[in-house]
Amino acid sequence: ELKVEQNPLFLSMQEGKNYTIYCNYSTTSDRLYWYRQDPGKSLESLFVLLSNGAVKQEGRLMASLDTKARLSTLHITAAVHDLSATYFCAVYGQNFVFGPGTRLSVLP
Amino acid sequence: DAGVIQSPRHEVTEMGQEVTLRCKPISGHNSLFWYRQTMMRGLELLIYFNNNVPIDDSGMPEDRFSAKMPNASFSTLKIQPSEPRDSAVYFCATLADSIEAFFGQGTRLTVV
Repeated sequence: ELKVEQNPLFLSMQEGKNYTIYCNYSTTSDRLYWYRQDPGKSLESLFVLLSNGAVKQEGRLMASLDTKARLSTLHITAAVHDLSATYFCAVYGQNFVFGPGTRLSVLP
Repeated sequence: DAGVIQSPRHEVTEMGQEVTLRCKPISGHNSLFWYRQTMMRGLELLIYFNNNVPIDDSGMPEDRFSAKMPNASFSTLKIQPSEPRDSAVYFCATLADSIEAFFGQGTRLTVV
């Protein structure tokens, strides 16, 4: 059974700081997704990572994938308040399983 | 494309009533997923269709829940009879072979 873990589950950080969210998964997969969810809203697609060593960047967010370690990271650079949200990773294998989410609060 | 369309957006119903949630996937997306989101349990995968065929329904909580996908452009999730513990946001998501996966806006269900 595919299991997806994230850490930390809660993250409070100051504006301007850097931090990394980690996503571990239990079985082999070639697709790893990152989503953002604002309170009361749906999930918005951020990144799709399709191969070992894949790296994608959009603004202050950068995602990477290590399929051998079954690990993906979401790195936040110079955080701003607008990045406050819950971030989910998801793994597509035999189905599409989500991690528990990381609730990020960026404080002024 | 208008994206994944779910209806209704909000539903309030009394315990014991039948509830039907609807999803129209993005045209050409051959996989469809139903999720339930609650504060306590996060995002739970309920059922997964591929090419209109149910592939994995192990997440369906009990016999009160059923899902159908009669054709490539429509799916329903039905709860009969509904109970207060079914209160949650239900999301439909669709995915194409081309990789991108998108979520609908969700249906917020309240069972009183």
